[in-house]
Amino acid sequence: AQKVTQAQTEISVVEKEDVTLDCVYETRDTTYYLFWYKQPPSGELVFLIRRNSFDEQNEISGRYSWNFQKSTSSFNFTITASQVVDSAVYFCALSEVRGGATNKLIFGTGTLLAVQP
Amino acid sequence: GAVVSQHPSRVICKSGTSVKIECRSLDFQATTMFWYRQFPKQSLMLMATSNEGSKATYEQGVEKDKFLINHASLTLSTLTVTSAHPEDSSFYICSARPIYRVGETQYFGPGTRLLVL
Repeated sequence: AQKVTQAQTEISVVEKEDVTLDCVYETRDTTYYLFWYKQPPSGELVFLIRRNSFDEQNEISGRYSWNFQKSTSSFNFTITASQVVDSAVYFCALSEVRGGATNKLIFGTGTLLAVQP
Repeated sequence: GAVVSQHPSRVICKSGTSVKIECRSLDFQATTMFWYRQFPKQSLMLMATSNEGSKATYEQGVEKDKFLINHASLTLSTLTVTSAHPEDSSFYICSARPIYRVGETQYFGPGTRLLVL
C-alpha cells in the first residue's frame, strides 16, 4: 500500500530562519510522482513541485529547495530565509502512475508552518 | 495555465437536504476528475474517482449512494451530497487530469466549504 508520512505536525520559526519539512513515503511502484502543495488559510491548494521517481536531482526554486533520496524514500522540502507569508500547511503527496499520467494522490497529514515576525 | 473551478465556494444547508457541487475544467478537457474531502485540521482524503461516461470509483468507506457523482462531459463533474448531515460538513476539493497530455499532473479547484446545520 502507498503511504506518505509527515512526522512534523507543527513547526514554528522566526522570520529569516531556514526550515526543513520532512516527507517519507512508501510504495511498491517503481514509477511514481511526488508532490508538495501549500495550503494557506483560504484552503486553496498551491502546487509547488512535482518530481518523478526517476529524477533524483535536487531542485531549487528561489527560496525553496527539495531533496529527493530514493534510498531513504524521502522527499524533503527546505525554505531558506523564511517569511511570514510562508505560514501555511504544507502537504507532501504521492501519486501512482497509470498510462503515463498521474492517478489519485495520497496525501501526508500535513505540516503546519508558522513563521513569526 | 490549466484552471479548475468549483461552484459554490461555500454552502450552508439544513440537515436532510441535498447539495450539489460542480467541478469544471475551464481550459482543458478531463476524462478523469478526483473528489477529495478534508475535515478541519486534517489531510485530504480521496473520496472517489470520476470518469467521463462511466460510473465513478469510490474509495473504501465512502457511501456511493450518499455521495452521487456524475461526470457527464469532459469538462464537468458533479458531486451531490444527498440527505446531508452535520458530520458531512467538510471542505470538498476536486482535481482534474487533462487528457491527451501524457505525464500531465492534476489541477485542483479552489474547494467548496459545506456546513450542514
